[in-house]
Amino acid sequence: GAVVSQHPSRVICKSGTSVKIECRSLDFQATTMFWYRQFPKQSLMLMATSNEGSKATYEQGVEKDKFLINHASLTLSTLTVTSAHPEDSSFYICSALPGTSSRGTQYFGPGTRLLVL
Amino acid sequence: SQQGEEDPQALSIQEGENATMNCSYKTSINNLQWYRQNSGRGLVHLILIRSNEREKHSGRLRVTLDTSKKSSSLLITASRAADTASYFCATALTGGGNKLTFGTGTQLKVEL
Repeated sequence: GAVVSQHPSRVICKSGTSVKIECRSLDFQATTMFWYRQFPKQSLMLMATSNEGSKATYEQGVEKDKFLINHASLTLSTLTVTSAHPEDSSFYICSALPGTSSRGTQYFGPGTRLLVL
Repeated sequence: SQQGEEDPQALSIQEGENATMNCSYKTSINNLQWYRQNSGRGLVHLILIRSNEREKHSGRLRVTLDTSKKSSSLLITASRAADTASYFCATALTGGGNKLTFGTGTQLKVEL
């Protein structure tokens, strides 16, 4: 089956620093990737849609200057949390939509747990 | 309230019993999907049901969709301890492309 990886799996950083999270589709090309955030015991909230070769589309309430998304290739999207603060601590999950998929099935990465001290 | 609300929020059953989770949504959808998430892990896609379908099966899973009531149910038959996880429904809204809106989730615990 389709595999999506995320790196790192967990990261601890100091407040004010920036953190980059990578999302890779390992065995398929994905023109579209999605970034979600999940707080403890809550559901996933879509942050943004990442499209290869174009600007990301952000959901309402998500600061595009704080959460920088780059989808530079058909297999890689990156999310950079800039000037991270403790309230940004969360579980960040990406998903990828195969380019040939006509069924809308997204394949999810294993997630990255971010802790900002 | 959210696009997808699930009930119950938590469900505890004995191994071998059936587990039923329900999902309600508010707006028109292209499809509805069910996902499973083990604690602190990523999501695993279980099943997708299109808006013109009423029921789908996959192994021990049975999903129904009632678009008139804007609701779906996930039935896990003959549950196992390994089925312990959180289960989420997610809707792909009409005109929303492939964006998914996730429900609140049901935490299922299957005890030996």
